[in-house]
Amino acid sequence: QKEVEQNSGPLSVPEGAIASLNCTYSDRGSQSFFWYRQYSGKSPELIMFIYSNGDKEDGRFTAQLNKASQYVSLLIRDSQPSDSATYLCAVNMGTGNQFYFGTGTSLTVIP
Amino acid sequence: SAVISQKPSRDICQRGTSLTIQCQVDSQVTMMFWYRQQPGQSLTLIATANQGSEATYESGFVIDKFPISRPNLTFSTLTVSNMSPEDSSIYLCSYLGTRGAFFGQGTRLTVV
Repeated sequence: QKEVEQNSGPLSVPEGAIASLNCTYSDRGSQSFFWYRQYSGKSPELIMFIYSNGDKEDGRFTAQLNKASQYVSLLIRDSQPSDSATYLCAVNMGTGNQFYFGTGTSLTVIP
Repeated sequence: SAVISQKPSRDICQRGTSLTIQCQVDSQVTMMFWYRQQPGQSLTLIATANQGSEATYESGFVIDKFPISRPNLTFSTLTVSNMSPEDSSIYLCSYLGTRGAFFGQGTRLTVV
């Protein structure tokens, strides 16, 4: 399996705070990066993707990519209790466009 | 995005038996994948299901244990063969869309 690592967590933040989730990957040739959210007992759902270096914002979510450092992050602003879930980083790499997932970070937003 | 459905949603099986999981997408997709998610763990890619040819397996997974079919661009099956309790897990199929990978609802397998 290709290597995709995330900060292990669990992560707890108070409601309204910023949650920061980090991910590193091993394949320097990777071009596409994704963040998924998974609620307990449910399948992963796509939050957002990023292809280019820099920041990409979508509502309360901001993805940040630094290909030179092989690092991608997700910021969640104004965290809500409903954001409590496991967040999975995924990297599209390999010759067959496979998706490899990180270890996941469990986030709890405390009301 | 296309709708992807998977069945069965759950099953309890005796060790030594096999279970076939079906995955149906409501439109044609090029890439389909099968994942395993063990309790408390992340998703591990089992294989890429290739239409019209043999699946491409990841390290640690073999065709004899996890045979995969992909007869057309909307359907795939994963069989878990000669099951043991260690195969108890959630199995997920997914397809690659233009904006990322999308998942079925998963099959929760318990082997007793």
